[in-house]
Formats: sequence, C-alpha cells, structure tokens
Amino acid sequence: DAKTTQPNSMESNEEEPVHLPCNHSTISGTDYIHWYRQLPSQGPEYVIHGLTSNVNNRMASLAIAEDRKSSTLILHRATLRDAAVYYCILTSGSRLTFGEGTQLTVNP
Amino acid sequence: SAVISQKPSRDICQRGTSLTIQCQVDSQVTMMFWYRQQPGQSLTLIATANQGSEATYESGFVIDKFPISRPNLTFSTLTVSNMSPEDSSIYLCSVENDRNTEAFFGQGTRLTVV
Repeated sequence: DAKTTQPNSMESNEEEPVHLPCNHSTISGTDYIHWYRQLPSQGPEYVIHGLTSNVNNRMASLAIAEDRKSSTLILHRATLRDAAVYYCILTSGSRLTFGEGTQLTVNP
Repeated sequence: SAVISQKPSRDICQRGTSLTIQCQVDSQVTMMFWYRQQPGQSLTLIATANQGSEATYESGFVIDKFPISRPNLTFSTLTVSNMSPEDSSIYLCSVENDRNTEAFFGQGTRLTVV
C-alpha cells in the first residue's frame, strides 16, 4: 500500500473550520483516499473517501489535489466531539493500512 | 451499515494463558479483519478471515500465536495464545460493506496480561 504522511497533531478552536492535510505522493491510479477517525476509547469510524473529485457528506468534505498527491479533510465547524485521531489511508482493495494519523485537539 | 459486537470488552489475564475474543456482525459479510492496537499506537492488521478457508496472516503474525476461526458469515473468533505482557493491546474486529468503500469496527477488546 502506498504511504501517507500526516502531521502528528493539530489544534483548532470550537466552531472554526479545520483543514487536515495528507500527503500521498506515491499514490497509484487505482488507490482510493479514505479518511477514518478514532475517538477516545472507540474503534475507528469511517469519515469520507474519494478517488479524484472533491467529495462532501454530512460529516466532512474531502478536497483532492488535481495530481492526487495530496488531499485535505475539511471539518466545516469543529466541535468538541470532533477531537480524535484522524487517519488518511490509501487503498485499492479491502485492506486498510493505518499510519500514525493526526491527533486533533479542539479547544472550547 | 454493520453493527459489530465484540466480547469480552476487556480482560486481565495471566501470562501463559490464552484468551478467545468473539466478534459478531449483524449481517453476512465475506471478509472479517482482526487488528491489534498497542498502547499509544496505531492499528496493525493481524489477519483476514474468510468463511470456509484458513485466515490470511500479515507479516509478523502467525497462526500458532493468533488462531482464528470463521465458522459462518456473521461470526469470527481470535485467540491470543500463550500470552505475555507484550500482548497487552486492544484487539479490534472489522468488516466492510459490499462495495469495500466503508469499514466498520467493533469497540475493541482491551487485553491486559499480567
């Protein structure tokens, strides 16, 4: 699986937007970009995924660079409940390879 | 979506013993995945379990240490054998939807080996 690079940690204030970056310069043409998050003491949960076009759902938006070598997960208005580890994962099949992720802290 | 139940949610075990973790899914799925999350670290895939065939183990994990059963399309077990304190981790079961676009995880089993 291709490797992703994410910042170890980020901070945000409540009610403000959060942009979580992910670099994946070795992405292949068949790799989908998936984002999962893990809240404290819980299993990971799906956030969003995309291939080439930007994607929106009720949780977040995913902005994918034109060359697909990077992507950004956007939380439009952070809440305290969004504090979690966010994982950016590339996969072309059913196996998920988790990196270290970004620990997001949301300040009240 | 899929709802996954894991049992036990946590356990404290003596070294040298074995623990079997159960994973029940509320729908039929082809593949089930077992992960380990060591303290303060990310998730590592242990093996993929298919019904009717032997599990496929990732590098660094062997069947003798982590035997897996998959008797039907909604259930799987992972056994952690001959435990040592290094096996203290959270063990998570996971499944995917039919299109492999979304994975669902159980709440995990927090294992402490003393």
